[in-house]
Amino acid sequence: SSELTQDPAVSVALGQTVRITCQGDSLRSYYASWYQQKPGQAPVLVIYGKNNRPSGIPDRFSGSSSGNTASLTITGAQAEDEADYYCNSRDSSGNHSVVFGGGTKLTVL
Amino acid sequence: QLQLQESGPGLVKPSETLSLTCTVSGGSISSSSYYWGWIRQPPGKGLEWIGSIYYSGSTYYNPSLKSRVTISVDTSKNQFSLKLSSVTAADTAVYYCARHGIYYYDSSLSDAFDIWGQGTMVTVSS
Repeated sequence: SSELTQDPAVSVALGQTVRITCQGDSLRSYYASWYQQKPGQAPVLVIYGKNNRPSGIPDRFSGSSSGNTASLTITGAQAEDEADYYCNSRDSSGNHSVVFGGGTKLTVL
Repeated sequence: QLQLQESGPGLVKPSETLSLTCTVSGGSISSSSYYWGWIRQPPGKGLEWIGSIYYSGSTYYNPSLKSRVTISVDTSKNQFSLKLSSVTAADTAVYYCARHGIYYYDSSLSDAFDIWGQGTMVTVSS
């Protein structure tokens, strides 16, 4: 099965821009989705598909993809953006499986 | 609005079967647009997809868990359920149910879990 690799931790200064990446062979064929998870809470979908934001997600969140890498960009990070971020995509093995990345802990300084 | 709620025992003995139910409210589980999925998260670790089901009963499972997992749906009760057999301590986790959308773009697609339950902690211990 496919794997998705994320940096374990990333930090950003308040108000600056940060990019969180997700790498994997499946991303050459499928779009990633991105989730924000705060301590003790369920994940929240922030980006899916070709840079789509669900209702209620601020427009400072955006997604992009190139080759085997998907990126989540937060433009003008806020203190409330400090959280764990996970990507997921369809597995490229053809068995309709879904795979998640290991997650990135974002610290807003 | 649509809400999902997990229910089931919080403690399961090793070698027994974990059973959870997700109740969908504020909408129909028989929507043709969505699958319904189970995802788990061991304490301090990341998310792991367990499997998803369509209202017709069509299922897809994580290959690493497939031999032990059964997901079923009861459209009359607007519920879907998870059974995980032969559990060990490694199955201790928060278990989430979620609505699973599949979005198609030209020759590609995106799997997105857009509405989640609050999660339920299941501990495997004697």
